[in-house]
Amino acid sequence: TAGITQAPTSQILAAGRSMTLRCTQDMRHNAMYWYRQDLGLGLRLIHYSNTAGTTGKGEVPDGYSVSRANTDDFPLTLASAVPSQTSVYFCASSLGTGNEKLFFGSGTQLSVL
Amino acid sequence: GQNIDQPTEMTATEGAIVQINCTYQTSGFNGLFWYQQHAGEAPTFLSYNVLDGLEEKGRFSSFLSRSKGYSYLLLKELQMKDSASYLCAVRDSNYQLIWGAGTKLIIKP
Repeated sequence: TAGITQAPTSQILAAGRSMTLRCTQDMRHNAMYWYRQDLGLGLRLIHYSNTAGTTGKGEVPDGYSVSRANTDDFPLTLASAVPSQTSVYFCASSLGTGNEKLFFGSGTQLSVL
Repeated sequence: GQNIDQPTEMTATEGAIVQINCTYQTSGFNGLFWYQQHAGEAPTFLSYNVLDGLEEKGRFSSFLSRSKGYSYLLLKELQMKDSASYLCAVRDSNYQLIWGAGTKLIIKP
């Protein structure tokens, strides 16, 4: 059972370059999320999607964009990476947007130099 | 502002009991979650509380007091594999999840 898959596992990126982090789930969950996790801070929501075709901004959306063309995929794009975007990125999904628990992907460690 | 407070790190002994506290100040309340995160891995769901009281699930229990803005996660019969970070998260009135920074639990033999 795959669940939720992220790629790549890790990446080193030169500042100013663009990159797309991939996220795919096979659980037919309606809601998907992108978080970043930095040492000493709680998970911070970047963007979310409550259902296919819709997206919304989270707590720290600047410098990131997302799309939700279908139920399964929710890619995160950094248009022009900066060193402050060095972080661990987690994609997550939930069946709905109420009190359902989140299922997380295994994460992408991104270093912007 | 919204805030979740947890101790940064705790140490306990294998076989013992440990209580990890979480206090919160949020705009409304629609449930509290605990997640476990082993180093280098993704968070995984442990428990959910929306009403006051204790929820027991095997060796793990979670308690909530909404009037005090307080929760704790109780781990019994500690095992080495319980060494992990424990994340507290609260859903606010807009159903947004607010996350604590996590408590790193170190288990010693």
